[in-house]
Amino acid sequence: LAKTTQPISMDSYEGQEVNITCSHNNIATNDYITWYQQFPSQGPRFIIQGYKTKVTNEVASLFIPADRKSSTLSLPRVSLSDTAVYYCLVGVGSSASKIIFGSGTRLSIRP
Amino acid sequence: DTGVSQNPRHKITKRGQNVTFRCDPISEHNRLYWYRQTLGQGPEFLTYFQNEAQLEKSRLLSDRFSAERPKGSFSTLEIQRTEQGDSAMYLCASSLAPRGSGTNEKLFFGSGTQLSVL
Repeated sequence: LAKTTQPISMDSYEGQEVNITCSHNNIATNDYITWYQQFPSQGPRFIIQGYKTKVTNEVASLFIPADRKSSTLSLPRVSLSDTAVYYCLVGVGSSASKIIFGSGTRLSIRP
Repeated sequence: DTGVSQNPRHKITKRGQNVTFRCDPISEHNRLYWYRQTLGQGPEFLTYFQNEAQLEKSRLLSDRFSAERPKGSFSTLEIQRTEQGDSAMYLCASSLAPRGSGTNEKLFFGSGTQLSVL
């Protein structure tokens, strides 16, 4: 499984765009990049997943450069309710693997 | 509600007692995972099943921990002779195994069982 590196914590303000970058230098050819969000006392929640270029859904956008050695989760116009821990995972779900979480990025949004 | 269900939501027990947690996954999902999470840490993998087969178990898991998924549907996680260090949130997740060599698996988590060992 490819190891990921992401900032331990980030702070921002309501209404701002927040970008969280994840490094995964050892990503394999068939690996997808997946992001989860976790609020206190809840299980993680799937946010977005992508393989290359850009993916957008109603919650976030995921930008993946051509070399795929990093990815950026973009949260547009954050609100206080976006305060959570965000996990970047790479290379999940092949038939002989297990899904491993790192420590994630603790995002704090201020008024 | 067709999400992942975990019971109980909270469990307080005395050291040395046995505890059992239950997880009901999303019905069409063939994979089921158990994780443990302590404050400030990411979820730690414990074990996972594909249908009724337990495919992998963390080496960090002592023999006091056992999990079953008897009919490929719900799963139970038992901890025998609990210790204070077992206090944590125990999370269950389910998914559909990806086809072929794809790695685009998406986990759906329950709300967890918070275990406190006194």
